Amino acid sequence: EIVLTQSPGTLSLSPGERATLSCRASQSVDSNYLAWYQQRPAQAPRLLIYGASSRATGIPDRFSGSGSETDFTLTISRLEPEDFAVYFCQQYGASPYTFGPGTKLEIK
Amino acid sequence: QVQLQESGPGLVKPSQTLSLTCGVSGDSISSGGYHWNWIRQPAGKRLEWIGRIYASGSTNYNPSLRSRVTMSVDTSKNQFSLKLTSVTAADTAVYYCARGGGFCSRTSCYYGNWFDPWGQGTLVTVSS
Repeated sequence: EIVLTQSPGTLSLSPGERATLSCRASQSVDSNYLAWYQQRPAQAPRLLIYGASSRATGIPDRFSGSGSETDFTLTISRLEPEDFAVYFCQQYGASPYTFGPGTKLEIK
Repeated sequence: QVQLQESGPGLVKPSQTLSLTCGVSGDSISSGGYHWNWIRQPAGKRLEWIGRIYASGSTNYNPSLRSRVTMSVDTSKNQFSLKLTSVTAADTAVYYCARGGGFCSRTSCYYGNWFDPWGQGTLVTVSS
């Protein structure tokens, strides 16, 4: 199965700053089938990005995804207070579908 | 807007069967080509995809759990279910149900294996 690694484990930034989160796969992800989710405390995960770079419905354009094969990035251009949460990546290019361990984005 | 809600016992004894149901509201579970998934997250660990079911009843399971998992769908009640047998403490987790991804243009729909939306999740503890 494809193992996903996310870095950093924790990212400390201030509102207004730019956040760059990384997701690396143990092998190439077929067709860039990579999704990103946001999870706030005590809430369900929320889809942000699918297909590595397509924003889900209703997601602000400050969220963007990029990358291919084994290296993917989620960028939040200007952090809003509600963006401080945990972010997971997920590959769906090969079954079983797998998730990364998450990056916690915290207020500095 | 589709919403999902998990329900079931929060405490299960070791060696017994964990049973959960996911109720779907806002759309028919039979509409389109969506699939319906179970995902779990043990405390402090990463999310784990358990498996999926289509409205037709067709299933796919994670090989790591295949021998213990059964999923079913009840289209008349607009819900789908998970059974996990012979549970141990390692099965203690928050269990989520989620719809498989998809979108439609004016002319066609595409369905994929991302997850959207998710239910709120339910904590199941395996303990005597």
